[in-house]
Amino acid sequence: GQNIDQPTEMTATEGAIVQINCTYQTSGFNGLFWYQQHAGEAPTFLSYNVLDGLEEKGRFSSFLSRSKGYSYLLLKELQMKDSASYLCAVRDNTDKLIFGTGTRLQVFP
Amino acid sequence: GAVVSQHPSWVICKSGTSVKIECRSLDFQATTMFWYRQFPKQSLMLMATSNEGSKATYEQGVEKDKFLINHASLTLSTLTVTSAHPEDSSFYICSARDRSGAESQQFFGPGTRLTVL
Repeated sequence: GQNIDQPTEMTATEGAIVQINCTYQTSGFNGLFWYQQHAGEAPTFLSYNVLDGLEEKGRFSSFLSRSKGYSYLLLKELQMKDSASYLCAVRDNTDKLIFGTGTRLQVFP
Repeated sequence: GAVVSQHPSWVICKSGTSVKIECRSLDFQATTMFWYRQFPKQSLMLMATSNEGSKATYEQGVEKDKFLINHASLTLSTLTVTSAHPEDSSFYICSARDRSGAESQQFFGPGTRLTVL
């Protein structure tokens, strides 16, 4: 079956670094996406990995290891506005996005 | 990035009525659109995949007669919740896939909050 695991909740302090992990077991693999979702809003795209390694985009970086079925999202220099849910999603071999349960991140001053 | 709109953004209806939600890709053509449902504090669950000019493909457990999907053009898909009941109250989100980019990513609409009384 399809299975994507993320921690349910995380907390961090403003200015710090936080790493959100995601492990997956899916029917095929056509890329892994990270989305940010604020309460009551639609997800917004953060990053995309299809090859192993690290992708950096400003304060956000995402890493992928296909052999381990593992990814993480790294958020640096945390700001209060980064408090949101972070969704890991895998595109399977039918081109569908399978979402993880999401990680609710709370940033404290 | 590409823009996807949804209408209405929220709707309250009586039990037994039908509600139509529109999803539009504003600046690109989307041969495929997706409909998701999200309950509070849960992740997105794919309901169906909508392909332009053909019947939608529904996920297991989703009643196709209850959730009618129409994708009549390359920029518009509609979801009609028929004979809505309180348990259908949820956040409905559509997405449209833009195949022009290397990532072929999905762009999400702002969502529609449905409350059935």
